Amino acid sequence: EAGVAQSPRYKIIEKRQSVAFWCNPISGHATLYWYQQILGQGPKLLIQFQNNGVVDDSQLPKDRFSAERLKGVDSTLKIQPAKLEDSAVYLCASSLGERKSGETQYFGPGTRLLVL
Amino acid sequence: AQSVSQHNHHVILSEAASLELGCNYSYGGTVNLFWYVQYPGQHLQLLLKYFSGDPLVKGIKGFEAEFIKSKFSFNLRKPSVQWSDTAEYFCAVRRRGTALIFGKGTTLSVSS
Repeated sequence: EAGVAQSPRYKIIEKRQSVAFWCNPISGHATLYWYQQILGQGPKLLIQFQNNGVVDDSQLPKDRFSAERLKGVDSTLKIQPAKLEDSAVYLCASSLGERKSGETQYFGPGTRLLVL
Repeated sequence: AQSVSQHNHHVILSEAASLELGCNYSYGGTVNLFWYVQYPGQHLQLLLKYFSGDPLVKGIKGFEAEFIKSKFSFNLRKPSVQWSDTAEYFCAVRRRGTALIFGKGTTLSVSS
């Protein structure tokens, strides 16, 4: 079974530039998550999709971050404009559905972003 | 605010030593508890999880964790660590309808 795919793996940009990350979840997984992991911290949820609808985006900085999952499969997370404090690893995860709180989330390799 | 605390930032052990990593959370009510591991250069992966029932859960690679409700704890244990257990370990907690909350992680270094 193929895992969660993410690209690019690394990205370096200057502040105020824009950047986009792509995620393809495990086939058949209805729920998709984007996390931000700052160095020395655990992952923090930015947004959760159930199919193509947003379930939770309470911690997404909506003035600069946006995400979409138009066809209910792959997803894109965008930052525009980027700030220095956005330097982090952006993780995508997926799970079968949202019916059980204990459902396992499967993580991708992450995109490491450095904002200069 | 909801939080997950991992007491040890960095643990250094010799091979064959016993391991216990602490995890405490600050929520009441029903929770689901997880330990994730990230080996060097690899993805975050699930080590074990607790939903309900027997509070002692067993995971992959000889790890186990015990849920103690009265102490709001979910400590991870392994009786004898190996060099290959060198990794970062994250405790995570979730209540129904809320996001998965991760601790800050514990780096385990095992010397051979």
